[in-house]
Order: sequence, then C-alpha cells, then structure tokens
Amino acid sequence: GESVGLHLPTLSVQEGDNSIINCAYSNSASDYFIWYKQESGKGPQFIIDIRSNMDKRQGQRVTVLLNKTVKHLSLQIAATQPGDSAVYFCAENIQGGSYIPTFGRGTSLIVHP
Amino acid sequence: GAGVSQSPSNKVTEKGKDVELRCDPISGHTALYWYRQSLGQGLEFLIYFQGNSAPDKSGLPSDRFSAERTGGSVSTLTIQRTQQEDSAVYLCASSLIAGGIYNEQFFGPGTRLTVL
Repeated sequence: GESVGLHLPTLSVQEGDNSIINCAYSNSASDYFIWYKQESGKGPQFIIDIRSNMDKRQGQRVTVLLNKTVKHLSLQIAATQPGDSAVYFCAENIQGGSYIPTFGRGTSLIVHP
Repeated sequence: GAGVSQSPSNKVTEKGKDVELRCDPISGHTALYWYRQSLGQGLEFLIYFQGNSAPDKSGLPSDRFSAERTGGSVSTLTIQRTQQEDSAVYLCASSLIAGGIYNEQFFGPGTRLTVL
C-alpha cells in the first residue's frame, strides 16, 4: 500500500526472486489501469495495462492482477533482474471520463545481485 | 518511430527569471499532458490538452504557470518569476484518444529545472 511521508515505499529483492508491487486505487468507477516503470533520470515507461473487464493480464515476465472488490492492483515480476530496479507507478482512469489519469505515489524496487 | 521529446534536458535559472520548456509529442497523438515531479515524489498533474478543446488547467499551481499548444502539436510550458520551489523535473506525455477510448501515455525524458 501507499504511505504518507517524503519517502517512497521500497521493496528490496534478490536477483531471481519474484517481486510483487501493490497499489490501492481510489475510484471505484475507474475502469482502466496502467503500470509504469521509471528508471533514474528518465520518464516513466509503459509496462502493461488492464481494463476492468479482466482480472488478470500477462506480459513478458510481468503479470497484472486486478481486484475490483477491494480496489487493489498488483504487478508481479518474475525472475527479477537488476535492470528491473526502478520506481513503479500505477495509474487509474475512467474511459469516457476526464482522460486525466490518477497516479499512485510509486514504489521503489531495488534488486540486489 | 520518434517518441516524445523535451527540451532543454536541464535548465538552471535564477529566482525571478522566466523559463520556457518545450515538448514535442508523438505525431498524431491528440492528447498532451504536463506533469511535475519533485525528487522522490510521484507525478503532479499540471495541464492537459485534447485536440481543439479548451485545455484543462486545473493542476496549475499558480498563475505564474501557463502552457500553450500550437497547431495541435508542440507545447510550451512557461513559468514566470520562478521560485526555488519550482525546482523539479517537468514531464510531458502524449497519448492517442480516439472514439472515446483512452490509451496509455508516452512520456518524454523530462526537463530538470533548478532555480537558484
């Protein structure tokens, strides 16, 4: 979940482990969700998205799970690599709404070799 | 194809000066967004342009901030009379919104603004 304060939540894992990054979203009407990865000194990059008619979607080494009942989104990264070290943001939006997504605060993933 | 580009990549200015930050979105993308990101923080929405509609300025923190988008393409974010608290990375993103369907945003590398 997210925390109040100046520091981002941090997840530290060993190379090769699976990582799970969680996000609690705020609007029950949101129907489109995206995960972004932001490496140091770069802009966020799209990883994977999911629409509310699904509860799971898989990409290459990544899986997004959506639980609309508790308004929870998670990103699972399999066999985490040092190159996965970054800040991960979730974003929620409503199709046909304002088209201004709401971003979570982000989670810092640190992968130790 | 080319992604979203921003210039300059770094800008150092003195308190009280005006600055202009530029964003070139992906060709054909109808929507353009500006965000501000302070060190170790999330994304703070500033302003959103969609097609020929009036921009959504609801995120601009003060009247010192303004933005325009010419010809539905390039956008400029202007900060007048800069203050030290304006120091941050300013990110631009574009996306294709068509038929009422929203798609993912593509972000530029950002402009790091430092106000001395």
